[in-house]
Amino acid sequence: GAVVSQHPSRVICKSGTSVKIECRSLDFQATTMFWYRQFPKQSLMLMATSNEGSKATYEQGVEKDKFLINHASLTLSTLTVTSAHPEDSSFYICSGRMHSNQPQHFGDGTRLSIL
Amino acid sequence: KQEVTQIPAALSVPEGENLVLNCSFTDSAIYNLQWFRQDPGKGLTSLLLIQSSQREQTSGRLNASLDKSSGRSTLYIAASQPGDSATYLCAVDPTQTSGSRLTFGEGTQLTVNP
Repeated sequence: GAVVSQHPSRVICKSGTSVKIECRSLDFQATTMFWYRQFPKQSLMLMATSNEGSKATYEQGVEKDKFLINHASLTLSTLTVTSAHPEDSSFYICSGRMHSNQPQHFGDGTRLSIL
Repeated sequence: KQEVTQIPAALSVPEGENLVLNCSFTDSAIYNLQWFRQDPGKGLTSLLLIQSSQREQTSGRLNASLDKSSGRSTLYIAASQPGDSATYLCAVDPTQTSGSRLTFGEGTQLTVNP
């Protein structure tokens, strides 16, 4: 149980385009979803936390207008990287959690490459 | 600000060896600590979760211990196998009142040689 599906797994696009990444909780209701970014050989860095029906809370240094997060339902959150540039190339991972006293369950990540 | 450190950064062992991965954290006010496994280009698989009130958790060949007062956790892997090769991450969850915002270590990259 507790499966999180992330789509797409890999995307390559030109600089200046916007890219949307979906994160779905398949068998549980994720009241909170988290978006992380991971650079090569580094650990996960939290970008933002979103609660269903509320605006996302962004970590310091993360541009909210650059990384648009929507969490409109208990099973779906989306991250849109707007006007992507090569420096946005990274591995993006989402996770979902049902209750605050329960662990996060992670998706398989999205490899984003901006040319 | 919580900081999580994992030692060693990389480890290479022959198959069958028992090994210990270390994780330390600077702020002992944690809600729980988790150990994850990450295969190359993949997301995270949760291995063990230890609540702050617990001392250890076991799952198969894995045993994780927690010493909250000293800010340390260890992941013990018994009889290692090539399939155990992956990056192992530990993450601490702060006290419940501040919400669940995991702080990750940088991981230990484990290679088990057949």
